[in-house]
Amino acid sequence: EVQLLESGGGLVQPGGSLRLSCAASGFTFSRYVMIWVRQAPGKGLEWVSGISGGGGYTYYADSVKGRVTISRDNSRNTLYLQMSSLRADDTAIYYCAKSPGDDNYYTLDVWGHGTTVTVSS
Amino acid sequence: QSVLTQPPSVSAAPGQKVTISCSGGGSNIGNNYVSWYQQLPGTAPKLLIYDNNKRPSGIPDRFSGSTSATSATLGITGLQTGDEADYYCGTWDSSLSAGVFGGGTKLTVL
Repeated sequence: EVQLLESGGGLVQPGGSLRLSCAASGFTFSRYVMIWVRQAPGKGLEWVSGISGGGGYTYYADSVKGRVTISRDNSRNTLYLQMSSLRADDTAIYYCAKSPGDDNYYTLDVWGHGTTVTVSS
Repeated sequence: QSVLTQPPSVSAAPGQKVTISCSGGGSNIGNNYVSWYQQLPGTAPKLLIYDNNKRPSGIPDRFSGSTSATSATLGITGLQTGDEADYYCGTWDSSLSAGVFGGGTKLTVL
């Protein structure tokens, strides 16, 4: 069974940093684009970042560019999102999601349950 | 403000049909495939439609998708109370080099 399990969320002060992880299982991780999507409380979905199967291509939403780095360790089947200079409007549930291919950054066929990030003093 | 525009809410009676629109532009819907997602209360989103009109395995044919120029539409027939959820369209934006979602539409089955 294909599974994605996010971790690393929590309470962080404004200006702080956090690293989210997403452990993948049930599929050949390195063959697929992986994506981070977030959802602020009571709001809609926001595409955050995507990374190619080999890790050589990365893309970011303007709202996080320069503050967030996506990466992956294919030997550990794990996706990461390193976040810094966190702001209150980064408060959200962060979902890890899988693409059905290695050149598709917008079709998300499997989603994790999410990890909650709260930025507050 | 989302790049893709959806109505905030739609409603219909059980057994009826409803459509949800998603309006974009040439850099997104006009030149890239559209996906649709269903988010039931308190759960993660689920893929309903991909590549404009294809259904993943397990998605009933009550759900359909279509596109025209810079707009996309999700159709749901034979509405059930279990269809009450938030629905999102999504695609790639070639100008932004990023994925984009609509603001979401809350479906109420009266």
